[in-house]
Amino acid sequence: QSALTQPASVSGSPGQSITISCTGTSSDVGSYNLVSWYQHHPGKAPKLIIYEAIKRPSGVSNRFSGSKSGNTASLTISGLQAEDEADYYCCSYAGTNTFDVFGGGTKLTVL
Amino acid sequence: EVQVVESGGGLIQPGGSLRLSCAASGLTVSDNHMSWVRQAPGKGLEWVSIIYSGGTIYYADSVKGRFTISRDNSKNTVYLQMNSLRVDDTAVYYCARRKSGTNDYWGQGTLVTVSS
Repeated sequence: QSALTQPASVSGSPGQSITISCTGTSSDVGSYNLVSWYQHHPGKAPKLIIYEAIKRPSGVSNRFSGSKSGNTASLTISGLQAEDEADYYCCSYAGTNTFDVFGGGTKLTVL
Repeated sequence: EVQVVESGGGLIQPGGSLRLSCAASGLTVSDNHMSWVRQAPGKGLEWVSIIYSGGTIYYADSVKGRFTISRDNSKNTVYLQMNSLRVDDTAVYYCARRKSGTNDYWGQGTLVTVSS
């Protein structure tokens, strides 16, 4: 069982927007703004798309946005495209004893 | 361009040992914090270990006492020595650079299968 809770799957049609939630606790998501989101196409290297809860690395499309409120972080993908179909993982720093905790991953299907 | 490439995975019997390597280019491992993260089949990602640029090291409780992270600055490579391997260590192991509280560059991973 993963430390952070994500929906197992979400789906949307091209052009639509979807949001993936990531629920943690006051020991991880609620305590730190060090929440990251990764896009993972199986067999490839995970790709960082959001860090520090709301920041986008250079080169990542502005269709990806992050937010955080209390113990829950969210990833929103707008203008869905076929290539967005992938697994998405959230991650939060949780202190030096536990370090990083991950969500179980959400499979995004673009219909 | 930053690249990290993992190697050293394979099939190993329970109780055995394996050493994974993470060769970096476009960055100097001694100047960066480097992490290992794994993904068991059908499961999510799990943080394993980190070595800070200053040498401080942390491990997940699940591997503490069995795994050792290290680096060879002359080879610009980070290692993960895995001893007393268990069936539940079976996973794809990823190496990543850690910066600004996140893992920003990842490799494609190397598969470790622990089975008799």
